[in-house]
Amino acid sequence: DTGVSQNPRHKITKRGQNVTFRCDPISEHNRLYWYRQTLGQGPEFLTYFQNEAQLEKSRLLSDRFSAERPKGSFSTLEIQRTEQGDSAMYLCASSPLWDTGELFFGEGSRLTVL
Amino acid sequence: SQQGEEDPQALSIQEGENATMNCSYKTSINNLQWYRQNSGRGLVHLILIRSNEREKHSGRLRVTLDTSKKSSSLLITASRAADTASYFCATVQGAQKLVFGQGTRLTINP
Repeated sequence: DTGVSQNPRHKITKRGQNVTFRCDPISEHNRLYWYRQTLGQGPEFLTYFQNEAQLEKSRLLSDRFSAERPKGSFSTLEIQRTEQGDSAMYLCASSPLWDTGELFFGEGSRLTVL
Repeated sequence: SQQGEEDPQALSIQEGENATMNCSYKTSINNLQWYRQNSGRGLVHLILIRSNEREKHSGRLRVTLDTSKKSSSLLITASRAADTASYFCATVQGAQKLVFGQGTRLTINP
């Protein structure tokens, strides 16, 4: 296993288009997290899953955003009707247990909305 | 909301010098973590210090935790050019959500 994988790494889209990002966590990890990071800022929590259940969503996650983890393995984050303010790095992380809380991050998917 | 706040926001030092970054947080914690992020890349976990620990070492890294002041520091000794990155502290907020600070951008000049 090579770690958390995110695709695509870069996405350029026009305002109003829909985009989808995929995250493949480390195989034995049952927790999966999505964060958003804008330039010069720290990662902001968006949502997390335990297996297939979405347990928490941030208020940052407007109704244009939807995340799924249908079989408790990979996850997708879809942004509908993109806006320029959605331009950011979208980071996925996974973890096996919560006894330490350490997260394992992917390399991120950078979104640019023109 | 950001739980941890790092200080300084940016730090530039010469190779070989020590770099110290500070983090303050607001609520009680079980542990505090430090992560590193190279430009345009994902975050990498560096070290975790539990609330009942005061100091922890890992290679050239030294982390301290003062729960009475709700603060932590990360010291990188004998810095190298490859240490150039952003460094974030993070704490658990709520049940299982890791919340990050704004980060310190560290530049090591050769």
